[in-house]
Amino acid sequence: AQSVTQPDIHITVSEGASLELRCNYSYGATPYLFWYVQSPGQGLQLLLKYFSGDTLVQGIKGFEAEFKRSQSSFNLRKPSVHWSDAAEYFCAVAMNSGGSNYKLTFGKGTLLTVNP
Amino acid sequence: DTEVTQTPKHLVMGMTNKKSLKCEQHMGHRAMYWYKQKAKKPPELMFVYSYEKLSINESVPSRFSPECPNSSLLNLHLHALQPEDSALYLCASSQVEFDSPLHFGNGTRLTVT
Repeated sequence: AQSVTQPDIHITVSEGASLELRCNYSYGATPYLFWYVQSPGQGLQLLLKYFSGDTLVQGIKGFEAEFKRSQSSFNLRKPSVHWSDAAEYFCAVAMNSGGSNYKLTFGKGTLLTVNP
Repeated sequence: DTEVTQTPKHLVMGMTNKKSLKCEQHMGHRAMYWYKQKAKKPPELMFVYSYEKLSINESVPSRFSPECPNSSLLNLHLHALQPEDSALYLCASSQVEFDSPLHFGNGTRLTVT
């Protein structure tokens, strides 16, 4: 079955430290890959996306993600975390559900806490 | 600021009430979505409209009734809801159905009493 896994429910880092959030998917082909961020009480904001081409993609707010086909992963990274990055992060994968139809599946999310 | 606007931001309704949630986008997107999000959970897809036609209904109970009056508007009509329907309801849009990034609104926080 198609699935998206974010292994870390909660991560705490210090401000200025580097960050890596993990995302793995299970799918027979290369899906469309996304990372969204959600601050408390807000909607989801797209950080970055991968459709094809260069496997290292740059997003907003200094985030980047790398698609690794061999590991079925799309991990999110940031070299230096800011206190304002504290939020819930969702990996999402659009996979073909039949014909020309795609379905977007979200991971369970990773809550990021940033210590001063 | 989000380009997808949802109203109201908060809604409290009784189990016998009828209310509607509204969503508007002016980005020329032809796909619009309703998601339901419970606390500390990912969004769950409810409905998808593509070119103003209902494309996907994820087996949502009939007490939720979507409507897409035109390509910019999406409504969700609520009737006889249950307390367990309390959640954040998110609207999203994309250029075409799932084949492009979704833009989300800030949601309507619904409480059913």
